[in-house]
Amino acid sequence: QQQVKQSPQSLIVQKGGISIINCAYENTAFDYFPWYQQFPGKGPALLIAIRPDVSEKKEGRFTISFNKSAKQFSLHIMDSQPGDSATYFCAASRITGGGNKLTFGTGTQLKVEL
Amino acid sequence: GAGVSQSPSNKVTEKGKDVELRCDPISGHTALYWYRQSLGQGLEFLIYFQGNSAPDKSGLPSDRFSAERTGGSVSTLTIQRTQQEDSAVYLCASSLMGAAGELFFGEGSRLTVL
Repeated sequence: QQQVKQSPQSLIVQKGGISIINCAYENTAFDYFPWYQQFPGKGPALLIAIRPDVSEKKEGRFTISFNKSAKQFSLHIMDSQPGDSATYFCAASRITGGGNKLTFGTGTQLKVEL
Repeated sequence: GAGVSQSPSNKVTEKGKDVELRCDPISGHTALYWYRQSLGQGLEFLIYFQGNSAPDKSGLPSDRFSAERTGGSVSTLTIQRTQQEDSAVYLCASSLMGAAGELFFGEGSRLTVL
């Protein structure tokens, strides 16, 4: 059972455009929703994260939008740059009583073209 | 070292052989995780060690897989009687206890089973 569904699988955006990646989760016990960024040959690295008590979190060009009732959250990358080209993973975990065990989506390969 | 260190970075083995993959976490991190990354499959949770607690082995795909963590630090993931479907990148991560989901990943060990 895939508990975190991610789309699209791949995405091509022009430089300066907005990249949007969507995720949906099933387990209502999840209470922590991070996004990880992975470059080829490297391990994933935390990009930004949100808790369900807020609907949006912004850090620089990266914004997470969270819809608790719909059990969905998304990553928006504003003014996308070629250096943003990477694979992005959404994830979810149950911090309260569940430790830090993350359940990941299947990833989105983003390419930002000049 | 400053980050999570994994070895070997690449391992090619023949079907039926046993392999050992090593992870050296960030000093002071009490939690250690193993994930498997297959092409197009995202990151699959394998096992989680937290301090002196019993490990969460719920993600291990079969009894051919095992892991241990010695002295609360270095961990070894062992795959016995390897199969071609075991080919993947095996990622190790560590975190501080209570660090709200921020995992620090190594660069992974790429396993190819011929």
